[in-house]
Amino acid sequence: AQTVTQSQPEMSVQEAETVTLSCTYDTSESDYYLFWYKQPPSRQMILVIRQEAYKQQNATENRFSVNFQKAAKSFSLKISDSQLGDAAMYFCAYRSGLSNFGNEKLTFGTGTRLTIIP
Amino acid sequence: GAGVSQSPSNKVTEKGKDVELRCDPISGHTALYWYRQSLGQGLEFLIYFQGNSAPDKSGLPSDRFSAERTGGSVSTLTIQRTQQEDSAVYLCASSLQATGKDTQYFGPGTRLTVL
Repeated sequence: AQTVTQSQPEMSVQEAETVTLSCTYDTSESDYYLFWYKQPPSRQMILVIRQEAYKQQNATENRFSVNFQKAAKSFSLKISDSQLGDAAMYFCAYRSGLSNFGNEKLTFGTGTRLTIIP
Repeated sequence: GAGVSQSPSNKVTEKGKDVELRCDPISGHTALYWYRQSLGQGLEFLIYFQGNSAPDKSGLPSDRFSAERTGGSVSTLTIQRTQQEDSAVYLCASSLQATGKDTQYFGPGTRLTVL
């Protein structure tokens, strides 16, 4: 079974600075997808960024980028120019690339609570 | 609406009562997922639908939990004889298909409190 580990329960960053959230995962599969979701106090999980394992290029979405190290099974999220609206719980998630029984679900890490200091 | 919607937003019930939680997926999405988020267990998968069929019910914690989906759209998660350990946020997500490349989009969740 796949596991996702987020070793930082809480992080804080000064507004306008850069912060990196860590995520490692364990899998024996070669085809998979990785995601970062943001959950503000409103509870809604919002997709921040996704990475296909077969792509070597790191995904970027505006101020958000990832450092995907497939061999090390590491998938960190970098937030540049942090803004007050970035304050939330951030979850790393894994999804198998296989489309058969038992592989459709997302497996989540335990989350990192990010605080933005004005 | 454009996103996944869930109702009610909050539900308080007494131990032993039955509850129904509803999810409206994004229009055109064939796959629908239920997850549970609790302090002790984190985010855990409950059940998944492809169309009206539920190929994977492996995450349902007990036979008190059931779910159905009708018309390939709305889904209802039913918890019978609720227990205090059922208190959690129940999240619904949908995706275009049930393949890895299809991103799961989440609703705002239903917070269930069992007294």
